[in-house]
Amino acid sequence: TAGITQAPTSQILAAGRSMTLRCTQDMRHNAMYWYRQDLGLGLRLIHYSNTAGTTGKGEVPDGYSVSRANTDDFPLTLASAVPSQTSVYFCASSDAGREVANEQFFGPGTRLTVL
Amino acid sequence: TQLLEQSPQFLSIQEGENLTVYCNSSSVFSSLQWYRQEPGEGPVLLVTVVTGGEVKKLKRLTFQFGDARKDSSLHITAAQPGDTGLYLCAGAFENSGNTPLVFGKGTRLSVIA
Repeated sequence: TAGITQAPTSQILAAGRSMTLRCTQDMRHNAMYWYRQDLGLGLRLIHYSNTAGTTGKGEVPDGYSVSRANTDDFPLTLASAVPSQTSVYFCASSDAGREVANEQFFGPGTRLTVL
Repeated sequence: TQLLEQSPQFLSIQEGENLTVYCNSSSVFSSLQWYRQEPGEGPVLLVTVVTGGEVKKLKRLTFQFGDARKDSSLHITAAQPGDTGLYLCAGAFENSGNTPLVFGKGTRLSVIA
């Protein structure tokens, strides 16, 4: 079972360029999330989606956009990258139908460096 | 403001030792989860605690949720090198499947053989 896949694994990007980080899950989970993980700051929520067609802002949404055209895919776009967006990005999903607060399943991460 | 404070930030111990790491907050959570993250990978869920005072055991790991549901602890007995990793606690304010989680910054554990 693949679970959650992310692409690319790593990327070096020039400042000002745009980039889309891809995330696909095969568990038919309703909810999906994007986090960034930075040393000393932990995991911070960027955007989330409770179901296909809806999205919401997390703690650090500025400079990022997302879309949720279907259940399986949740791409994260940086329209004009800046060095402060250098980070490791994790996509996660959870089953909104569960009664207990969501166990989140994480992808392997994308390491992004903006120069 | 960090809603979940984890301590210690770093911990290096010898194989066979016991240890406890803490996750504290001034907020009340509906549930709290513990994840372990290994280098180059995403976090993986270890346990979810829901009821105040609840204790759950997972082999050598014991998790406790505070009576007031504001804090939690993770105790590892006879630590092994395979326990090395970043331990993250995460709280949920609601008991629904799609409530965003609030993560602590983590405790980085190193177990030396």
